[in-house]
Amino acid sequence: DIQMTQSPASLSASLGETVTIECLASEDIYSNLAWYQQKPGKSPQLLIYDASSLQDGVPSRFSGSESGTQYSLEINSLQSEDAATYFCQQHHDYPYTFGAGTKLELK
Amino acid sequence: QVTLKESGPGILQPSHTLSLTCSFSGFSLSTYGMGVSWIRQPSGKGLEWLASIWWNGNTYNNPSLKSRLTVSKDTSNNQAFLKVTSVDTADTATYYCAHTRAGGAHYFDYWGQGVMVTVSS
Repeated sequence: DIQMTQSPASLSASLGETVTIECLASEDIYSNLAWYQQKPGKSPQLLIYDASSLQDGVPSRFSGSESGTQYSLEINSLQSEDAATYFCQQHHDYPYTFGAGTKLELK
Repeated sequence: QVTLKESGPGILQPSHTLSLTCSFSGFSLSTYGMGVSWIRQPSGKGLEWLASIWWNGNTYNNPSLKSRLTVSKDTSNNQAFLKVTSVDTADTATYYCAHTRAGGAHYFDYWGQGVMVTVSS
C-alpha cells in the first residue's frame, strides 16, 4: 500500500496568515493527490485534485503544489471559516490511502 | 446536482453483517466512467477507503478488510450497497459513500452526509 505521511498533525495560526500542510508519499504517485477539508460533524469536501487543480467553488486562497513525492497545501490569507481538519489522499492506485489529517485552529 | 445519502441500521451486534445503502441522484451508475466509493471514519480519527464499484460492475475492495466486504449496485434505482460481514467494535465508525470518476480521477468529489454505525453487544 502507498503510505501518506502528513504533517503537521496540528497547527495554530492567525487570521490573514499563510499556512502550509504537507504530505509525503511512500512512492511516486504521479501527481494523483487530492486535498479535503472537513469541519466537525460534516463530511469531507474536495479542495484540490491532481495535486494542484482547484475544485469548482473553492476559494483561490487554497493552492496545491508538489516536489517529487512531497505534496503541499497552502492556504493564504486565513479566514475564520478555514478552521478545520485537512486530509490528503493518493488517487493513483488501490487501495486509496489518506494522510492522518492536520487540524488547523485559528488563534 | 450530485447528491448522495447513506442509510443503515445505526447499531448492530458483533459478528453480525452490516448492510448500508447509498441513494444518489445527479448521475447514473450505468454511465461510462461513473463510480461510487465507500469510506469510513471512526470518531475523531482518520479516513479509510473501503471499496469502489464502477459503471461496468467492476469492484475493488480494501485488502485490509480481507474478504469481509461486498459492494453492489441497483442501477435502476440509483443505489449502491455495502455489506460488511463479521463486524466487531473496530467497525464502529461513520460510513460515507462518495461519487468518483474513472480515468485517473479517483478522488471523491461529492460525499454523502455519512451514517454512524455502532457495533455493540
